[in-house]
Amino acid sequence: AQSVSQHNHHVILSEAASLELGCNYSYGGTVNLFWYVQYPGQHLQLLLKYFSGDPLVKGIKGFEAEFIKSKFSFNLRKPSVQWSDTAEYFCAVIPFSNDYKLSFGAGTTVTVRA
Amino acid sequence: EAGVAQSPRYKIIEKRQSVAFWCNPISGHATLYWYQQILGQGPKLLIQFQNNGVVDDSQLPKDRFSAERLKGVDSTLKIQPAKLEDSAVYLCASSLGTGINTGELFFGEGSRLTVL
Repeated sequence: AQSVSQHNHHVILSEAASLELGCNYSYGGTVNLFWYVQYPGQHLQLLLKYFSGDPLVKGIKGFEAEFIKSKFSFNLRKPSVQWSDTAEYFCAVIPFSNDYKLSFGAGTTVTVRA
Repeated sequence: EAGVAQSPRYKIIEKRQSVAFWCNPISGHATLYWYQQILGQGPKLLIQFQNNGVVDDSQLPKDRFSAERLKGVDSTLKIQPAKLEDSAVYLCASSLGTGINTGELFFGEGSRLTVL
């Protein structure tokens, strides 16, 4: 079955450490790619998105992600995390198929220690 | 701009009882989605509406779940009768476009259901 895979279930970091969250998808054709974030007690919100063009996209709060088509990957990075980055991060994909459904990965919980 | 509104935020019921959730999407958004998020998992699409028509309900357990979007605006999701495994957060989302132009989905805060 086609799917979205996130490699880490829970990541614990100290402030100022670098963060990289892996995301792979199994759809073979063109896709739109997203990272959503859910801060404690808040709703899901868009962190960044890739539709086309430069495969390195920048989002809010210093996050960036790189689309590597040959690896079916869309990894999220931040060079230096802050305590306020503690949240759950979801990778999501819309394949250019019959239904254009947004499918999510299982999510990665990131805990940043002060 | 007002966001996606959902109610109730929390609901506790016993199994075999019924429950309904309401969603008011962002004004002008043609597409409305209901997702189910079970603890420890990513959101799973239950049903997708474009205006007041159903685009996809392939993962909606139709023996107990139903949803409608009257007049292409508000939507309700009903569960009757509820099972223990229905305990989850039910997320409503909306998007301006559809299909290839879906773009960003905007989510509400969710309705957390606990079935005892």
